[in-house]
Amino acid sequence: DQQVKQNSPSLSVQEGRISILNCDYTNSMFDYFLWYKKYPAEGPTFLISISSIKDKNEDGRFTVFLNKSAKHLSLHIVPSQPGDSAVYFCAASAPGTYKYIFGTGTRLKVLA
Amino acid sequence: DSGVTQTPKHLITATGQRVTLRCSPRSGDLSVYWYQQSLDQGLQFLIQYYNGEERAKGNILERFSAQQFPDLHSELNLSSLELGDSALYFCASSTGGDRAEQYFGPGTRLTVT
Repeated sequence: DQQVKQNSPSLSVQEGRISILNCDYTNSMFDYFLWYKKYPAEGPTFLISISSIKDKNEDGRFTVFLNKSAKHLSLHIVPSQPGDSAVYFCAASAPGTYKYIFGTGTRLKVLA
Repeated sequence: DSGVTQTPKHLITATGQRVTLRCSPRSGDLSVYWYQQSLDQGLQFLIQYYNGEERAKGNILERFSAQQFPDLHSELNLSSLELGDSALYFCASSTGGDRAEQYFGPGTRLTVT
């Protein structure tokens, strides 16, 4: 049972345009969400997070939006840069569980 | 460099064998997590240790076991290996809080032939 789903395995975007990566979840107990970025031959690195008390969190070019009623979150990257090409994982956590449940990842390719 | 080290980087072994993967957390971190990433799969959470004690468990097979030692390094033991165990195994560490940021190591690629 995949509680966190990233239905788009890959996405290609032109440099300078917006990249939108989507994530859906099924567990209504999740109240904390994160995005991680992974380059080849490296471990994932933390990018941005959002608590369920918010519907938006911004950090530079990266913004995460949370729609609790739809159980959906998205990561916007504006403007996209070639160095953003990586696999992006969303993750979710329920309180007191001390673990993150990760999605299957979306491979983003930013074309120069 | 996340500060989390994993050894070995690559491991090739035969079905039925047993292997041990090792992880050293970032300096000061008390918690260690193990994840498995198979082809087309996300990061599957296996198990978490905090200061030597198991704190959370995920989809870890009975053939797999882990422990965290007094010096806080951790080992993941995989036994009776099957072809399907071929995967990237990541270790992450954190300070141990419920929402603490997890820092990932570079992973160990296990190939079972």
